[in-house]
Amino acid sequence: TQLLEQSPQFLSIQEGENLTVYCNSSSVFSSLQWYRQEPGEGPVLLVTVVTGGEVKKLKRLTFQFGDARKDSSLHITAAQTGDTGLYLCAGVSNFGNEKLTFGTGTRLTIIP
Amino acid sequence: NAGVTQTPKFQVLKTGQSMTLQCAQDMNHNSMYWYRQDPGMGLRLIYYSASEGTTDKGEVPNGYNVSRLNKREFSLRLESAAPSQTSVYFCASRGLGSYEQYFGPGTRLTVT
Repeated sequence: TQLLEQSPQFLSIQEGENLTVYCNSSSVFSSLQWYRQEPGEGPVLLVTVVTGGEVKKLKRLTFQFGDARKDSSLHITAAQTGDTGLYLCAGVSNFGNEKLTFGTGTRLTIIP
Repeated sequence: NAGVTQTPKFQVLKTGQSMTLQCAQDMNHNSMYWYRQDPGMGLRLIYYSASEGTTDKGEVPNGYNVSRLNKREFSLRLESAAPSQTSVYFCASRGLGSYEQYFGPGTRLTVT
């Protein structure tokens, strides 16, 4: 079974601060996705990274895929209250199958 | 387009009762999935269906059955509910050529 561990599990910071969330595995993934989930709703895709070392930016969010395609990070600059939510990474295995492996999640709270 | 819809939104069952969770998508997606979400454990795959007429077990299939009724609909059945099945259940779908999954709003199930 492939596992994706996210850290930290919980993070509470003041509005305007920067933060980084990590997603780590001992397995290689062909691509990795980040989802955000708000209370009472299903997860919504933010980004997919495909190439080892790839960096993608989505406004104040920066996503990086590790060189070995085993890990990823999400960095948020100048956090806003609208960034509050549960962040989930999800990996597509190297075997080309149908399934995503989801990480354990990071619950982020931005304090006004 | 409604996307992915799930019914019911909330349900309380007694141990041993049965019920079916309904899911439908209007995006003409081939693949559909059922997940459960528990605190600190991310999303775990129960069953999935790569195409109409096929279903496969995921990570945690015990105690559940599924039916891919047609291309639009994928139902999840609990034959004899147990307190360990208290969780939030999400249905998702995915189109060909993409790894992005689209999620429904979830069903919050409590088994007493």
